[in-house]
Amino acid sequence: DTGVSQDPRHKITKRGQNVTFRCDPISEHNRLYWYRQTLGQGPEFLTYFQNEAQLEKSRLLSDRFSAERPKGSFSTLEIQRTEQGDSAMYLCASSSPRGEQFFGPGTRLTVL
Amino acid sequence: AQRVTQPEKLLSVFKGAPVELKCNYSYSGSPELFWYVQYSRQRLQLLLRHISRESIKGFTADLNKGETSFHLKKPFAQEEDSAMYYCALSLKNQAGTALIFGKGTTLSVSS
Repeated sequence: DTGVSQDPRHKITKRGQNVTFRCDPISEHNRLYWYRQTLGQGPEFLTYFQNEAQLEKSRLLSDRFSAERPKGSFSTLEIQRTEQGDSAMYLCASSSPRGEQFFGPGTRLTVL
Repeated sequence: AQRVTQPEKLLSVFKGAPVELKCNYSYSGSPELFWYVQYSRQRLQLLLRHISRESIKGFTADLNKGETSFHLKKPFAQEEDSAMYYCALSLKNQAGTALIFGKGTTLSVSS
Protein backbone atom coordinates (compact mmCIF):
# COMPACT_ATOMS: atom_id res chain seq x y z
CA ASP A 1 0.00 0.00 0.00
CA THR A 2 1.59 3.26 -1.09
CA GLY A 3 -0.86 5.52 0.70
CA VAL A 4 -0.43 7.45 3.93
CA SER A 5 -0.02 5.15 6.93
CA GLN A 6 -0.47 5.84 10.62
CA ASP A 7 0.54 3.92 13.68
CA PRO A 8 -0.98 2.89 16.00
CA ARG A 9 -4.54 2.71 14.74
CA HIS A 10 -5.94 2.74 18.25
CA LYS A 11 -4.49 3.93 21.54
CA ILE A 12 -6.08 3.75 24.97
CA THR A 13 -4.27 5.58 27.73
CA LYS A 14 -4.85 6.87 31.22
CA ARG A 15 -5.12 10.55 31.96
CA GLY A 16 -1.73 12.08 32.58
CA GLN A 17 0.23 9.67 30.39
CA ASN A 18 2.20 10.69 27.32
CA VAL A 19 1.40 9.26 23.90
CA THR A 20 3.14 9.42 20.54
CA PHE A 21 1.68 8.78 17.11
CA ARG A 22 3.52 8.22 13.87
CA CYS A 23 2.61 9.16 10.30
CA ASP A 24 4.34 7.92 7.15
CA PRO A 25 3.35 10.09 4.18
CA ILE A 26 3.34 9.17 0.51
CA SER A 27 7.04 9.07 -0.31
CA GLU A 28 7.24 11.86 -2.90
CA HIS A 29 5.07 14.29 -0.89
CA ASN A 30 6.94 17.12 0.81
CA ARG A 31 3.93 18.52 2.70
CA LEU A 32 2.48 16.85 5.77
CA TYR A 33 -0.52 17.86 7.86
CA TRP A 34 -2.01 16.79 11.18
CA TYR A 35 -5.72 17.15 11.90
CA ARG A 36 -7.92 16.19 14.84
CA GLN A 37 -11.49 14.98 14.52
CA THR A 38 -13.95 14.65 17.37
CA LEU A 39 -17.40 13.07 17.24
CA GLY A 40 -19.83 14.99 15.08
CA GLN A 41 -17.21 17.37 13.75
CA GLY A 42 -15.15 17.61 10.62
CA PRO A 43 -11.37 17.36 10.82
CA GLU A 44 -9.69 20.40 12.43
CA PHE A 45 -6.25 21.53 11.32
CA LEU A 46 -3.45 21.20 13.90
CA THR A 47 -0.13 21.74 12.16
CA TYR A 48 1.69 21.63 8.83
CA PHE A 49 5.21 20.71 7.68
CA GLN A 50 6.98 21.45 4.46
CA ASN A 51 9.87 19.02 4.39
CA GLU A 52 11.27 19.13 7.94
CA ALA A 53 10.12 22.67 8.70
CA GLN A 54 7.01 23.17 10.80
CA LEU A 55 5.49 26.19 9.10
CA GLU A 56 2.13 26.60 10.76
CA LYS A 57 0.46 25.68 14.02
CA SER A 58 -3.19 26.04 14.95
CA ARG A 59 -4.34 27.58 18.21
CA LEU A 60 -5.72 24.12 18.95
CA LEU A 61 -2.15 22.88 19.41
CA SER A 62 -1.58 23.55 23.11
CA ASP A 63 1.80 23.43 24.86
CA ARG A 64 1.23 19.76 25.60
CA PHE A 65 1.31 18.91 21.90
CA SER A 66 4.48 18.70 19.88
CA ALA A 67 5.05 17.52 16.34
CA GLU A 68 8.25 16.71 14.51
CA ARG A 69 9.33 15.66 11.08
CA PRO A 70 13.07 15.22 11.61
CA LYS A 71 14.21 14.14 8.15
CA GLY A 72 11.35 15.42 6.09
CA SER A 73 9.86 11.96 5.80
CA PHE A 74 7.77 10.47 8.64
CA SER A 75 6.27 12.65 11.35
CA THR A 76 5.43 12.13 15.02
CA LEU A 77 2.80 13.83 17.13
CA GLU A 78 3.30 13.67 20.87
CA ILE A 79 0.74 14.59 23.51
CA GLN A 80 2.08 15.03 27.02
CA ARG A 81 -0.02 14.72 30.18
CA THR A 82 -3.07 13.59 28.26
CA GLU A 83 -6.51 14.84 29.27
CA GLN A 84 -9.90 13.34 28.58
CA GLY A 85 -10.57 16.17 26.16
CA ASP A 86 -7.73 14.89 23.97
CA SER A 87 -9.81 11.85 23.05
CA ALA A 88 -10.27 12.09 19.29
CA MET A 89 -9.25 10.69 15.94
CA TYR A 90 -5.88 12.09 14.87
CA LEU A 91 -5.51 12.25 11.11
CA CYS A 92 -2.42 12.74 9.04
CA ALA A 93 -2.42 13.89 5.42
CA SER A 94 0.28 14.50 2.85
CA SER A 95 0.38 16.38 -0.40
CA SER A 96 2.56 17.38 -3.27
CA PRO A 97 2.89 21.08 -4.14
CA ARG A 98 -0.17 20.64 -6.38
CA GLY A 99 -2.08 20.62 -3.14
CA GLU A 100 -4.39 17.60 -3.18
CA GLN A 101 -4.24 16.09 0.30
CA PHE A 102 -4.29 12.34 0.81
CA PHE A 103 -5.37 11.16 4.24
CA GLY A 104 -4.24 8.30 6.40
CA PRO A 105 -6.61 5.98 8.28
CA GLY A 106 -6.17 7.89 11.53
CA THR A 107 -5.20 7.03 15.10
CA ARG A 108 -8.10 6.85 17.52
CA LEU A 109 -7.06 8.03 20.98
CA THR A 110 -9.13 7.26 24.06
CA VAL A 111 -8.08 8.87 27.31
CA LEU A 112 -9.60 7.22 30.39
CA ALA B 1 -13.14 34.24 10.18
CA GLN B 2 -12.97 31.43 7.68
CA ARG B 3 -15.80 28.98 8.05
CA VAL B 4 -17.53 26.17 6.17
CA THR B 5 -21.15 25.42 6.93
CA GLN B 6 -22.98 22.25 6.03
CA PRO B 7 -26.50 22.83 7.31
CA GLU B 8 -27.74 19.26 7.05
CA LYS B 9 -26.45 16.62 9.41
CA LEU B 10 -28.33 13.84 7.62
CA LEU B 11 -29.86 13.57 4.18
CA SER B 12 -31.98 10.53 3.36
CA VAL B 13 -33.11 9.83 -0.18
CA PHE B 14 -34.38 6.93 -2.22
CA LYS B 15 -32.32 5.30 -4.94
CA GLY B 16 -32.73 7.16 -8.20
CA ALA B 17 -33.72 10.43 -6.56
CA PRO B 18 -31.69 13.62 -7.06
CA VAL B 19 -29.26 14.62 -4.35
CA GLU B 20 -28.01 18.03 -3.28
CA LEU B 21 -25.64 18.39 -0.35
CA LYS B 22 -25.35 22.00 0.70
CA CYS B 23 -22.14 23.84 1.52
CA ASN B 24 -21.66 27.52 2.26
CA TYR B 25 -18.37 29.17 3.06
CA SER B 26 -17.08 32.36 4.59
CA TYR B 27 -13.71 33.57 3.30
CA SER B 28 -12.48 36.97 2.19
CA GLY B 29 -9.76 35.69 -0.12
CA SER B 30 -9.83 33.61 -3.28
CA PRO B 31 -11.36 30.30 -2.22
CA GLU B 32 -10.48 26.83 -3.30
CA LEU B 33 -13.23 24.37 -2.41
CA PHE B 34 -13.24 20.61 -2.15
CA TRP B 35 -15.64 17.79 -1.40
CA TYR B 36 -14.24 14.83 0.55
CA VAL B 37 -16.09 11.57 1.11
CA GLN B 38 -15.70 8.91 3.76
CA TYR B 39 -17.31 5.52 3.10
CA SER B 40 -17.94 3.18 6.00
CA ARG B 41 -14.67 1.98 7.55
CA GLN B 42 -12.57 3.74 4.92
CA ARG B 43 -10.32 6.76 5.05
CA LEU B 44 -11.25 10.23 3.98
CA GLN B 45 -10.74 10.67 0.25
CA LEU B 46 -11.04 13.53 -2.19
CA LEU B 47 -14.20 13.43 -4.29
CA LEU B 48 -13.74 16.58 -6.32
CA ARG B 49 -12.23 20.07 -6.28
CA HIS B 50 -13.77 23.12 -7.90
CA ILE B 51 -10.78 24.09 -10.02
CA SER B 52 -10.77 20.80 -11.90
CA ARG B 53 -14.47 21.06 -12.81
CA GLU B 54 -14.64 17.28 -13.13
CA SER B 55 -17.59 15.00 -12.59
CA ILE B 56 -16.66 12.12 -10.30
CA LYS B 57 -19.03 9.17 -9.79
CA GLY B 58 -21.75 11.34 -11.29
CA PHE B 59 -21.28 14.13 -8.73
CA THR B 60 -20.74 17.74 -9.71
CA ALA B 61 -20.27 20.93 -7.73
CA ASP B 62 -20.22 24.52 -8.93
CA LEU B 63 -18.61 27.35 -7.03
CA ASN B 64 -21.02 30.27 -6.70
CA LYS B 65 -19.03 33.20 -5.38
CA GLY B 66 -22.10 35.44 -5.20
CA GLU B 67 -23.88 33.06 -2.87
CA THR B 68 -20.61 31.76 -1.34
CA SER B 69 -21.80 28.22 -1.97
CA PHE B 70 -20.36 24.99 -3.32
CA HIS B 71 -23.25 22.55 -3.30
CA LEU B 72 -22.69 18.93 -4.33
CA LYS B 73 -25.21 17.45 -6.73
CA LYS B 74 -26.03 14.15 -8.33
CA PRO B 75 -29.08 13.60 -10.55
CA PHE B 76 -29.72 9.96 -9.60
CA ALA B 77 -28.51 8.65 -6.24
CA GLN B 78 -27.18 5.11 -5.91
CA GLU B 79 -27.04 3.00 -2.75
CA GLU B 80 -23.24 2.96 -2.94
CA ASP B 81 -23.28 6.76 -2.53
CA SER B 82 -24.22 6.31 1.13
CA ALA B 83 -21.37 7.89 3.05
CA MET B 84 -20.27 10.94 5.04
CA TYR B 85 -19.53 13.97 2.87
CA TYR B 86 -17.37 16.88 3.97
CA CYS B 87 -17.02 20.21 2.25
CA ALA B 88 -13.62 21.86 2.76
CA LEU B 89 -12.02 25.22 2.07
CA SER B 90 -8.33 25.66 1.34
CA LEU B 91 -6.62 28.77 2.71
CA LYS B 92 -4.52 29.64 -0.29
CA ASN B 93 -2.94 32.69 1.29
CA GLN B 94 -1.27 30.61 3.97
CA ALA B 95 2.18 29.02 3.61
CA GLY B 96 0.56 25.64 3.17
CA THR B 97 -2.87 24.62 2.07
CA ALA B 98 -4.52 23.78 5.38
CA LEU B 99 -8.12 22.71 4.95
CA ILE B 100 -11.07 23.98 6.92
CA PHE B 101 -13.81 21.37 6.99
CA GLY B 102 -17.51 21.58 7.59
CA LYS B 103 -19.13 19.27 10.10
CA GLY B 104 -20.19 16.87 7.39
CA THR B 105 -23.43 15.50 6.04
CA THR B 106 -24.36 11.84 6.18
CA LEU B 107 -26.02 10.74 2.97
CA SER B 108 -28.21 7.69 3.25
CA VAL B 109 -29.57 6.18 0.04
CA SER B 110 -32.13 3.44 0.41
CA SER B 111 -33.90 1.25 -2.12
